[in-house]
Amino acid sequence: QKEVEQDPGPLSVPEGAIVSLNCTYSNSAFQYFMWYRQYSRKGPELLMYTYSSGNKEDGRFTAQVDKSSKYISLFIRDSQPSDSATYLCAMRTGGTSYGKLTFGQGTILTVHP
Amino acid sequence: DTAVSQTPKYLVTQMGNDKSIKCEQNLGHDTMYWYKQDSKKFLKIMFSYNNKELIINETVPNRFSPKSPDKAHLNLHINSLELGDSAVYFCASSPGEGSSPLHFGNGTRLTVT
Repeated sequence: QKEVEQDPGPLSVPEGAIVSLNCTYSNSAFQYFMWYRQYSRKGPELLMYTYSSGNKEDGRFTAQVDKSSKYISLFIRDSQPSDSATYLCAMRTGGTSYGKLTFGQGTILTVHP
Repeated sequence: DTAVSQTPKYLVTQMGNDKSIKCEQNLGHDTMYWYKQDSKKFLKIMFSYNNKELIINETVPNRFSPKSPDKAHLNLHINSLELGDSAVYFCASSPGEGSSPLHFGNGTRLTVT
């Protein structure tokens, strides 16, 4: 079993839809949770960064962390064609883990006009 | 203006050759990393350097040797290339070993024939 599981999709939605992306994990030591967006032939770009359980909102994006269920989500409201990309969840333990992120496989999202 | 830049962007070479990938960051970060993304989009850490010191070496074959001449540069040299080394290699940096997120370059696509 992988430490982080993410449904690879692909996920195809119409413009304006609400998108829900999810990851589950098995390591209870994970404390920092991230969502990265990766466009084709580009590097991952940080979208959301949260510590421990709770919600965080940034514009059309909302990140949720439920540590008791070992489950994190990213919601995209009013999705746009420019949101079409691969979305990667990532997490790390606390302390001096020196940026050792454990990534999910990524979910390919297409938003069609 | 590119924060984390890698060269070359594409690298096609034959088995058995030796090649290098260069990375530079202009963000003033203390920590730099090499990550490998396989054909299924899994991103996995290879190395981490903090202020020119090797911190993480994630069970990578010793054909891979990172070198950090200063904290703004982290190069990756690969000896005796094998077919299985074909992947996208990403350089990343972060301000420190604490809770700071990673900033990625746009990757070097290595193809070994």
